[in-house]
Amino acid sequence: AQTVTQSQPEMSVQEAETVTLSCTYDTSESDYYLFWYKQPPSRQMILVIRQEAYKQQNATENRFSVNFQKAAKSFSLKISDSQLGDAAMYFCAYRSHDRGSTLGRLYFGRGTQLTVWP
Amino acid sequence: DGGITQSPKYLFRKEGQNVTLSCEQNLNHDAMYWYRQDPGQGLRLIYYSQIVNDFQKGDIAEGYSVSREKKESFPLTVTSAQKNPTAFYLCASRDSPSYEQYFGPGTRLTVT
Repeated sequence: AQTVTQSQPEMSVQEAETVTLSCTYDTSESDYYLFWYKQPPSRQMILVIRQEAYKQQNATENRFSVNFQKAAKSFSLKISDSQLGDAAMYFCAYRSHDRGSTLGRLYFGRGTQLTVWP
Repeated sequence: DGGITQSPKYLFRKEGQNVTLSCEQNLNHDAMYWYRQDPGQGLRLIYYSQIVNDFQKGDIAEGYSVSREKKESFPLTVTSAQKNPTAFYLCASRDSPSYEQYFGPGTRLTVT
């Protein structure tokens, strides 16, 4: 089974500064998807950004961008100009491109709790 | 509005009792999932269902059961056999074209 590792249980950042959350994964597949989800105190899971493994270009969504290193199996999330509303638990997740055998299931890391200081 | 509903938001039960968590979606999604979330553990897959009357065990299915009699509904029963049932439970459904998962608001179950 695929494994996803988030080595930083907690991170903190000053408002308006930049922070990077780390994620590594283990897979023997060549085609897959990677995601970052945000879980604020409400506990609603919110998709932040996704990356398709066959695309070399790093995904970007406004202040959120990723650094995808396929050979290193690394998928970090960079949050620029951090805002108080960015404070949340962030989960990295993996999904196989093979839709048949795994039914699109997600494999999650253990999460990184991000604190944003004013 | 289309979405996923889970009820209730908080649920309390005595040890030894079975309890059923509700999950309903009106997104017309075929596939649905149940995850369990514990502090420091991330989300772990309990059960998933691709279509009505079909479901498969995930990574931590012991002590849980599900049914899928209707496309819209995927209830999860936490049985008395589940050793540590206190947790936050999240239901999700999957959009067919994009394969993206959409999550419900979750149910916090406390068993004492």
